[in-house]
Amino acid sequence: KAGVTQTPRYLIKTRGQQVTLSCSPISGHRSVSWYQQTPGQGLQFLFEYFSETQRNKGNFPGRFSGRQFSNSRSEMNVSTLELGDSALYLCASSLAGVSGNTIYFGEGSWLTVV
Amino acid sequence: AQSVAQPEDQVNVAEGNPLTVKCTYSVSGNPYLFWYVQYPNRGLQFLLKYITGDNLVKGSYGFEAEFNKSQTSFHLKKPSALVSDSALYFCAVRPADNYGQNFVFGPGTRLSVLP
Repeated sequence: KAGVTQTPRYLIKTRGQQVTLSCSPISGHRSVSWYQQTPGQGLQFLFEYFSETQRNKGNFPGRFSGRQFSNSRSEMNVSTLELGDSALYLCASSLAGVSGNTIYFGEGSWLTVV
Repeated sequence: AQSVAQPEDQVNVAEGNPLTVKCTYSVSGNPYLFWYVQYPNRGLQFLLKYITGDNLVKGSYGFEAEFNKSQTSFHLKKPSALVSDSALYFCAVRPADNYGQNFVFGPGTRLSVLP
């Protein structure tokens, strides 16, 4: 079974630009969540989607947004990029909306803002 | 609010010796607890979780963890460390009774196994 797939793996953007990251969950998984990982802040929760609806949202500015499609694939968008947005963005998927479900991570998208 | 503490930034252990990576948590109600490992330039890999039942949980690659409710701890252990275990380890918690709360991860502990 294929794991969580994230694209692109690496990208460099300029301040003020926007970026869209894509995540394909494990087949059959309906919940997708996104995390930002930085050396200073560690792993921080961005948002979670289940059946195309955002169920949870972390403490990030409105420049960070996401969506989920009917096939459970998800995208996140960051507009008006800032240098501090440089990070590893991780997507994770799980079967359904149950607290005990394990979340499985993709390899991440490395974003560098210059 | 829930939180996770991993009191050691770095743990060094000799190959073949037992290892322990510590985790304590705070959550309202019962916890679901998880351990993940991250190798350089990779995503997080699931190791094991505690949901209910036996306090000693066995996971991948010979790792195990013990849930201690009175001490609110969930320490990760392995009887005999390998050099290939060197990585960044994350503990995470989610409340069992409130799916509205997302996962909260600890800051991570870097494990170095010395040959």
